[in-house]
Amino acid sequence: QKEVEQNSGPLSVPEGAIASLNCTYSDRGSQSFFWYRQYSGKSPELIMFIYSNGDKEDGRFTAQLNKASQYVSLLIRDSQPSDSATYLCAVGETSGSRLTFGEGTQLTVNP
Amino acid sequence: SQTIHQWPATLVQPVGSPLSLECTVEGTSNPNLYWYRQAAGRGLQLLFYSVGIGQISSEVPQNLSASRPQDRQFILSSKKLLLSDSGFYLCAWSVGINYGYTFGSGTRLTVV
Repeated sequence: QKEVEQNSGPLSVPEGAIASLNCTYSDRGSQSFFWYRQYSGKSPELIMFIYSNGDKEDGRFTAQLNKASQYVSLLIRDSQPSDSATYLCAVGETSGSRLTFGEGTQLTVNP
Repeated sequence: SQTIHQWPATLVQPVGSPLSLECTVEGTSNPNLYWYRQAAGRGLQLLFYSVGIGQISSEVPQNLSASRPQDRQFILSSKKLLLSDSGFYLCAWSVGINYGYTFGSGTRLTVV
């Protein structure tokens, strides 16, 4: 059973702080990694993807991947109240057409 | 550009009634299609996925079935709903696992 584990929440940070969301995965052969944001009552939307070890930056978001440690993280700099949502980590399976999702981490950014 | 349509947005159905949820994708060919369910405050549970017309893989034995009668149409059905079928149902599409999924807007089903 392929697993994706996310750090348990909820996570609360003050406005302007850095929010750090973490994820580990069990399928050592996975090559594609995604972060989705899900606002309450809405469907998940893709905000970041990463394939190679290292950092990938997009605006205030940075995804980090370490395949040797089977670890993916998402950093949100200068957190805003509008970033308050549940963040889902997803990992592409080695062979096949499915993503495995973590349970999500709920983030609250306090004004 | 590609779009995914999912309807209805909300549905209240009595126990024992049938269910049909429809999902269609525009702007792409031969997408992979997925049905997920999300219970309140929980993660995503993959129900079915399809890599082509008539090809359905079931992930969890349950009271539901899926069909793909056309390339870009994916239907989730039940003959008799149970209370435990309540949840947020999400359809998603993908052109390949390296591109991730795009989700539809979801259907919130309440079985009463």
